[in-house]
Amino acid sequence: AQTVTQSQPEMSVQEAETVTLSCTYDTSESNYYLFWYKQPPSRQMILVIRQEAYKQQNATENRFSVNFQKAAKSFSLKISDSQLGDTAMYFCAHPTQGGSEKLVFGKGTKLTVNP
Amino acid sequence: SAVISQKPSRDICQRGTSLTIQCQVDSQVTMMFWYRQQPGQSLTLIATANQGSEATYESGFVIDKFPISRPNLTFSTLTVSNMSPEDSSIYLCSVRPTGNTEAFFGQGTRLTVV
Repeated sequence: AQTVTQSQPEMSVQEAETVTLSCTYDTSESNYYLFWYKQPPSRQMILVIRQEAYKQQNATENRFSVNFQKAAKSFSLKISDSQLGDTAMYFCAHPTQGGSEKLVFGKGTKLTVNP
Repeated sequence: SAVISQKPSRDICQRGTSLTIQCQVDSQVTMMFWYRQQPGQSLTLIATANQGSEATYESGFVIDKFPISRPNLTFSTLTVSNMSPEDSSIYLCSVRPTGNTEAFFGQGTRLTVV
């Protein structure tokens, strides 16, 4: 079964500092996508960043970047210059099968950015 | 992209009653997904709703408890039947439009059963 593991239930960071959230996954697929979603208190799930497994280059979206280690099945999220608005639950996710539209999610990491 | 309107945004219901949650998408999509997020937990897929056929339920979820309708390519409903306090959760609908790699979500329905 596909699994996603986020080992940090909660993390906190000072405003303007950098924080890294970890995620490991298990899949038998060779090509797939990986996602980080953010869920603020408003409950709206928002895509933060995605990574294609066949791409060796780590994805970057402004202050958000990933460290993708395919062999280790690791997909961590780095948030630079943390802002108060980054306070949210962060979920790592990937499709249940290579081209599937169904997602399996990790348990999430609650990130608090302190002023 | 896709914009999803989900309602109600929240409700407080008596045990033994049923609640129907609606999900409207601004574009046609083949599949719509319903997730449950129990308090402090991650998202768990309940079922996949296809237009013109019966929904496909994940292990642990049954049609009698969570009947789903999918009358057209832009709309779906999820009913939570014969509710108990254990059904208190956030319910979210989701789609992945053709040509997109990412999933889009409704804003969720926070259900409290008392």
